[in-house]
Amino acid sequence: SQQGEEDPQALSIQEGENATMNCSYKTSINNLQWYRQNSGRGLVHLILIRSNEREKHSGRLRVTLDTSKKSSSLLITASRAADTASYFCATVKTGANNLFFGTGTRLTVIP
Amino acid sequence: DADVTQTPRNRITKTGKRIMLECSQTKGHDRMYWYRQDPGLGLRLIYYSFDVKDINKGEISDGYSVSRQAQAKFSLSLESAIPNQTALYFCATSDREREQFFGPGTRLTVL
Repeated sequence: SQQGEEDPQALSIQEGENATMNCSYKTSINNLQWYRQNSGRGLVHLILIRSNEREKHSGRLRVTLDTSKKSSSLLITASRAADTASYFCATVKTGANNLFFGTGTRLTVIP
Repeated sequence: DADVTQTPRNRITKTGKRIMLECSQTKGHDRMYWYRQDPGLGLRLIYYSFDVKDINKGEISDGYSVSRQAQAKFSLSLESAIPNQTALYFCATSDREREQFFGPGTRLTVL
């Protein structure tokens, strides 16, 4: 399986601080995506970064991709209590059509 | 109205029973997916379909079957449910290899 791994598994920060989550994967990819899941609910797509991109921004989100290290990071700046959720990275392997999900980082933002 | 709907939202059943989970989408996407999520884990792909006549096995298809009745409908069946199929099940849709849109999930408990 090409399932990625997120690090850390859990992260607890104060409101206003930045949160950084990392994702590592095993084989070459077409793109990497980050999703958010509130407890027991469906996943919501946050951002997609292609294999030829190194950095992407969306609002308070910043994603980087290092294909040489097979890793990505998600930075959430100025966190809010409403950012409390689980965050998953997912990859589309080169030549494949499906997403492979990591095990997620559980983020808690303390008001 | 939600773009991806799942029915039922919750189901409790007994070992050996046949169960069908249904998914409908209004996004007009050709691609549809079924995933399961177990506590503390990411999503694992059960089956996927890229159009009405296309059905493909995912990582964990044993014990499951699917039917793509129309572009907008994709159902998942458990022919003879067993307790280790207790999980949260998600349907998703996508337009090619771009982001996926998830339904709200079905919580299935097999006693």
